[in-house]
Amino acid sequence: DQQVKQNSPSLSVQEGRISILNCDYTNSMFDYFLWYKKYPAEGPTFLISISSIKDKNEDGRFTVFLNKSAKHLSLHIVPSQPGDSAVYFCAASASRSGSRLTFGEGTQLTVNP
Amino acid sequence: EPEVTQTPSHQVTQMGQEVILRCVPISNHLYFYWYRQILGQKVEFLVSFYNNEISEKSEIFDDQFSVERPDGSNFTLKIRSTKLEDSAMYFCASKATSAHYEQYFGPGTRLTVT
Repeated sequence: DQQVKQNSPSLSVQEGRISILNCDYTNSMFDYFLWYKKYPAEGPTFLISISSIKDKNEDGRFTVFLNKSAKHLSLHIVPSQPGDSAVYFCAASASRSGSRLTFGEGTQLTVNP
Repeated sequence: EPEVTQTPSHQVTQMGQEVILRCVPISNHLYFYWYRQILGQKVEFLVSFYNNEISEKSEIFDDQFSVERPDGSNFTLKIRSTKLEDSAMYFCASKATSAHYEQYFGPGTRLTVT
């Protein structure tokens, strides 16, 4: 199932700099996108989301951008902090075909002090 | 802050045995889900549950699996006859209403089938 893809398994950034995590999708029915953060031995924690009718959503240090024509979204974290080090999952939902979430593979973000 | 809880955190069972994984969703949420993540793979949807019935299930959720909300707070996943390939992290999630998209996940149960 390659409907949601995160091509970078890992990303390393310096504290204070911007982290950019990317996600691509193929299913045109997806109309809502979410980012989750996951620490080891914990469940995914909801971070931020965006509806397909928007192209940007911002919440504090976190901003999600959606490019529908490219079927691409990205999560920007600025400034990055060491506590942001975690696995970040992109997920998508198609409201007209149920409420299941389809996840990407995840990207391990490491923020170095 | 309300959270989803799951028990046990780790379950070891022998192949062919039945297991029941338990979840307590956030109290005013109406939609409940089970997902699983096999080691090194994606988080995969298993089933969604609303108004005391299954609303959607994936191809993974075959006759060996069942879900139940036995009372007003618990939500359970039963695997009747476990297989080695059922070894995974199982996550329960809940969401508030049909107008919401955000699902809130529990910490997971690690199921090991030997």
